[in-house]
Amino acid sequence: IAGITQAPTSQILAAGRRMTLRCTQDMRHNAMYWYRQDLGLGLRLIHYSNTAGTTGKGEVPDGYSVSRANTDDFPLTLASAVPSQTSVYFCASSDSTQGAPYFGPGTRLTVL
Amino acid sequence: AQRVTQPEKLLSVFKGAPVELKCNYSYSGSPELFWYVQYSRQRLQLLLRHISRESIKGFTADLNKGETSFHLKKPFAQEEDSAMYYCALRGGSQGNLIFGKGTKLSVKP
Repeated sequence: IAGITQAPTSQILAAGRRMTLRCTQDMRHNAMYWYRQDLGLGLRLIHYSNTAGTTGKGEVPDGYSVSRANTDDFPLTLASAVPSQTSVYFCASSDSTQGAPYFGPGTRLTVL
Repeated sequence: AQRVTQPEKLLSVFKGAPVELKCNYSYSGSPELFWYVQYSRQRLQLLLRHISRESIKGFTADLNKGETSFHLKKPFAQEEDSAMYYCALRGGSQGNLIFGKGTKLSVKP
């Protein structure tokens, strides 16, 4: 792989189900991010990680959790999905907290 | 409060016309600003960052601290410029990017 990948590409999920969105980068970037994109609201930061082993909360963290066990992977988990979590989710990474984030292709999630 | 405002949700121009996508920011420190572009259903791509002072695909943006603006400009729009454009500010205690709500640019033939 080259760059940053996300899986799945899209998913329809029943409310109350648990879901993990995967994100992997092979650029050895230290910082990684999860954003959600909603029409009329732009992109909002959910969680971030400045380096492996650390995570932090963004603007809209409720209902989401993340882990950063290694440099390459930054999964986002919805413990119990709700319809308001219907969105397009973008993972991004940067070589440092001062770098410009490079975005993944996104995951389109629909919660019914 | 740190904030990025893109006042236009939609901007429609004809091919060959000049384009200006507006971005205003609110930030107490020394700002670092970016423009990202998103073509239909694709990933966001970095277009410009003000510290590099580059011109990409004919687009330029100048940071105006007096007016707290970072407007994106292109003298002659092309149909392939049709996309969603996001202005972003590096802010917050961790230096994360704060995005505006975006402007959809439509270039008509």
